Order: sequence, then structure tokens, then C-alpha cells
Amino acid sequence: QKEVEQDPGPLSVPEGAIVSLNCTYSNSAFQYFMWYRQYSRKGPELLMYTYSSGNKEDGRFTAQVDKSSKYISLFIRDSQPSDSATYLCAMSAAGGTSYGKLTFGQGTILTVHP
Amino acid sequence: DADVTQTPRNRITKTGKRIMLECSQTKGHDRMYWYRQDPGLGLRLIYYSFDVKDINKGEISDGYSVSRQAQAKFSLSLESAIPNQTALYFCATSDLGTGGRDEQFFGPGTRLTVL
Repeated sequence: QKEVEQDPGPLSVPEGAIVSLNCTYSNSAFQYFMWYRQYSRKGPELLMYTYSSGNKEDGRFTAQVDKSSKYISLFIRDSQPSDSATYLCAMSAAGGTSYGKLTFGQGTILTVHP
Repeated sequence: DADVTQTPRNRITKTGKRIMLECSQTKGHDRMYWYRQDPGLGLRLIYYSFDVKDINKGEISDGYSVSRQAQAKFSLSLESAIPNQTALYFCATSDLGTGGRDEQFFGPGTRLTVL
């Protein structure tokens, strides 16, 4: 079983829809949780970053972390065609030999059609 | 101007050939990483380096080697390429921020095909 599981999709939604992307994980040492966005033929770029449990909002994007359930989510409100990309969740542990190393989910391909 | 550059961007080679992928960064970061990306498998860590004298194996290091020539340069080599090393390869850099935040910045990737 992979340490981080992410539904690969693909996910296709109409413009304006609310999108929910999710990851589950098994390593209880993970403390830092990230969402990266990757456009076609580009490298991933950090979209959202959260530490431990809770919510973080940035414009149309909201990241949620539930450490008790080992579950993280990214919500995109009023989705736009420009949101079409692959979304990767990533996590890292605090301290020890895992410090600074990211473990990625498989990525979810999202298409927002006009 | 790109902060993290990778060369070449595309490469087609034959089984058994030695290949080197190069990564340079102008961000002044100490930490550098090599990942490969395969459809349905996400990004998997091959090697990472936290400074010039520190090289560590990642999740899938077999068949690969690396060299950290300077703070700004980190090369990945395939000593004898095989077809299942066909993938998209990414270099990334980071610098440990306040509170342990470790945002990684990725290069544009190298698409490698081994025939």
C-alpha cells in the first residue's frame, strides 16, 4: 500500500463548478501538507501549504487537513478553464531522516470545460 | 528567467547507453532533488542532496547515480539505460524556511525515452 493515495481521475467539470480533490495517507508522522499544480509540459508549482490539521483559504482555493482521519482535501470554488491541470498532493514529516523529503500522491487530472 | 533549468529537455536514446541529465539553479538553495514522473504513479524521489557533501538515495535509486558538482548543479546519470527508465524527470530545489516549511521549486522537466 502506498503511503499516499490520490484518486487519479480524470475529473471533468463545467466552468463554475466546485471541485473537490482528496488524498489519504498512512504515515502518522506527516506534519506538512501541500498541494502542487502542474500544467501540461511544465514542472509542478506549489499551490497551497498547511501545517498540521485545519483549514487554509487562498482566494478560490481551500485546503483542509484532518489528521485524525489521515485525509486532506483541496476545494476549488468557481472553477475556471485555467484551473485545468494535474493536482498533486504532497506531504512531509517533521524531524528525523524524513525531514525535507516530500511524498507525493499519484496526481489528479482536472479539466474544466467552458 | 528560469530559476531551475534542466538540460536536455527531450532525449531519445537506446538501451545500454549512458545518459546524463543536468540541473542548474540560481535560487541559492542548498537542497536539490531528482524525481521521475510516470503516469498513474506521481512523482517518485530518486536522489536528494541537502548540501554539496551530502547525497542520499531516495525511493527508487537503483540504476541511477548522481553528482553534486556545486551548490547550484546536480546531475543525474543513467549508467546503462533500459526501457523502463522512460519517464519524465524533474529536478527540484528547496531551502528550509521558517517553521520547517520546505517548499520545493521544480524545473521544467526532461522527457527521456529509452528504446
